[in-house]
Formats: sequence, structure tokens, C-alpha cells
Amino acid sequence: NAGVTQTPKFRVLKTGQSMTLLCAQDMNHEYMYWYRQDPGMGLRLIHYSVGEGTTAKGEVPDGYNVSRLKKQNFLLGLESAAPSQTSVYFCASSPRGVYGYTFGSGTRLTVV
Amino acid sequence: AQSVTQLDSQVPVFEEAPVELRCNYSSSVSVYLFWYVQYPNQGLQLLLKYLSGSTLVKGINGFEAEFNKSQTSFHLRKPSVHISDTAEYFCAVSEGNAGNNRKLIWGLGTSLGVNP
Repeated sequence: NAGVTQTPKFRVLKTGQSMTLLCAQDMNHEYMYWYRQDPGMGLRLIHYSVGEGTTAKGEVPDGYNVSRLKKQNFLLGLESAAPSQTSVYFCASSPRGVYGYTFGSGTRLTVV
Repeated sequence: AQSVTQLDSQVPVFEEAPVELRCNYSSSVSVYLFWYVQYPNQGLQLLLKYLSGSTLVKGINGFEAEFNKSQTSFHLRKPSVHISDTAEYFCAVSEGNAGNNRKLIWGLGTSLGVNP
């Protein structure tokens, strides 16, 4: 099993550009999450989904949009990138119930 | 509101020495507790979890943690560390009656540095 796959792994954007980060899981998990990780700030939840076709805001949703049209995919979009969005982005998934999360290997995004 | 405090941001130790990484949480309800490890330039990996039952939980790579409800703590321990244990360690908590809200609350992490 591949688990949770994130693409791309690295990206450099110019301020104002848009992009989409893709997260794909092959474990039939119900829940999926997008986090950003910044030095000294731990993991901060951007958006999450408890099932296909549903999404909800986390603690830092501004400037991001998400979609979950298929159960196995969770897309994170940046409409107009800003330098403050320079970060490492992690996707995670979990089954219904309390089993812990499975994380992807991350996307390192730099906005210049 | 729930919160998680990892009491040490950095813990330097020598190889083969014991280590304890401290985690305290605040919650007025029952909780589920987790420890994750993040090796450099990688994603997070589940080390161990406490859901119910025995308060001493054993995980991968020789780590264990003890749930102490009265002290609201979930400290991570290893009796003898290796160079390969050098990583960032995160403590996380989820409310036991969260229903469909399976969000974890995360600590800020503890950087474990194992020196030869």
C-alpha cells in the first residue's frame, strides 16, 4: 500500500500565483486533513473532511480552499499565494473511530 | 478548551542514556492520547496511543508512555536511546466524546537530539 501520497513534493510560487496540492489515500479512510507546519508553531489545521463531498474549516483556513469530490482525494488550493503561506504542508487521513492519523511525506512550498 | 503542552522544546541526551519527553494536557472530558515521531524531512509517524485500559502503553522502537489521569500527563520514555532516535516528537490529544469531530490537538513538539 502507498498510504498517503502528496504531490508535488516541492514547489516555488511567485506572489499572486495559484496552485493545487493533491493528497491521495488508498486506505479507504473516511477522514482527511490538511495541516501546515512552521518552525516553532507545531502543526496547524487548515481544513478537514469527514467524508466525500464534505469539508470544514480548521484553525487557519484563510487563503485556502479545499475539495473532496472523491473519497480517496483531498485537494488544497491556494487562490493567490502570499509569502506568509511559505510552509511545509502535510496531508493526513484516518478511518472512522480513534486509530490515529496516517500522514503523507509533505509538500515544501516557498512563495517569493 | 483542550490544550497540549510539551514541557521541553529540546532534549539533548547521550546515546544509550534513558530519556523522558514530557506532555501535559488539559481537558474536562475523557481523552485519547497519542505520540508521533517526525524524522528529518519526513511526515509524522504514529509511535503509540492510549485509548483505554492499561495506563502503560508500549509503542514502536522501544518507546513507552504512561497515562496519568490525576496529573493529566502522558510522558514518553525510552530506557536506552540510539542515534537513530534523533527526531521531533509530538504529543496529541482527542476528546473521547468527539463524535464525528476527530480533530487532534497538537503540542508544539520536542526535538530529541541523541549524541554519541
